Amino acid sequence: DTGVSQDPRHKITKRGQNVTFRCDPISEHNRLYWYRQTLGQGPEFLTYFQNEAQLEKSRLLSDRFSAERPKGSFSTLEIQRTEQGDSAMYLCASRTGVPETQYFGPGTRLLVL
Amino acid sequence: DQQVKQNSPSLSVQEGRISILNCDYTNSMFDYFLWYKKYPAEGPTFLISISSIKDKNEDGRFTVFLNKSAKHLSLHIVPSQPGDSAVYFCAATGTSYGKLTFGQGTILTVHP
Repeated sequence: DTGVSQDPRHKITKRGQNVTFRCDPISEHNRLYWYRQTLGQGPEFLTYFQNEAQLEKSRLLSDRFSAERPKGSFSTLEIQRTEQGDSAMYLCASRTGVPETQYFGPGTRLLVL
Repeated sequence: DQQVKQNSPSLSVQEGRISILNCDYTNSMFDYFLWYKKYPAEGPTFLISISSIKDKNEDGRFTVFLNKSAKHLSLHIVPSQPGDSAVYFCAATGTSYGKLTFGQGTILTVHP
């Protein structure tokens, strides 16, 4: 029974560059979430997929952010023209319909220089 | 607007004693609550949850209590162990999409 996996675990980039993160959910989980966590705060919701459909996006998700889940399995989160304020831990979680418990991956830590 | 609050940034407890972590919420639409444990540089690990139709849920050393009228929940860990030292987050959901709203976290330190 494999858990949620995320790749890469760490990413250092220069301001203005584009980055892409990948999340592989638990295989039978049709619901997938992205969160962002900054130092001293709890995770904040970014976006939600049910199968391949993106059903909700937070206002935190600016136009520079885009997420996809093309075949209802893995998901990618892309940040274009990164800014220093994008430095954070990006977390992916997945769940089935019931119960509502979400299971998190190890996260991708992004540092924008 | 912080809908889920953990007012104690840190808690220090002796091994073998009880740890009590508290969480308050403001949104009356929340109907499912969860506690997660997090180590540095790792993702949150699910501990225990409770539905709003219950007021208590127990799993081994972990018990969660929910007081809906006070919009308050607490996590009890008995007995506390040094391996329990971590950041604990409470989270709540009540939307059809199930997005979680988290508190700021409480750092628990259990001393041997």
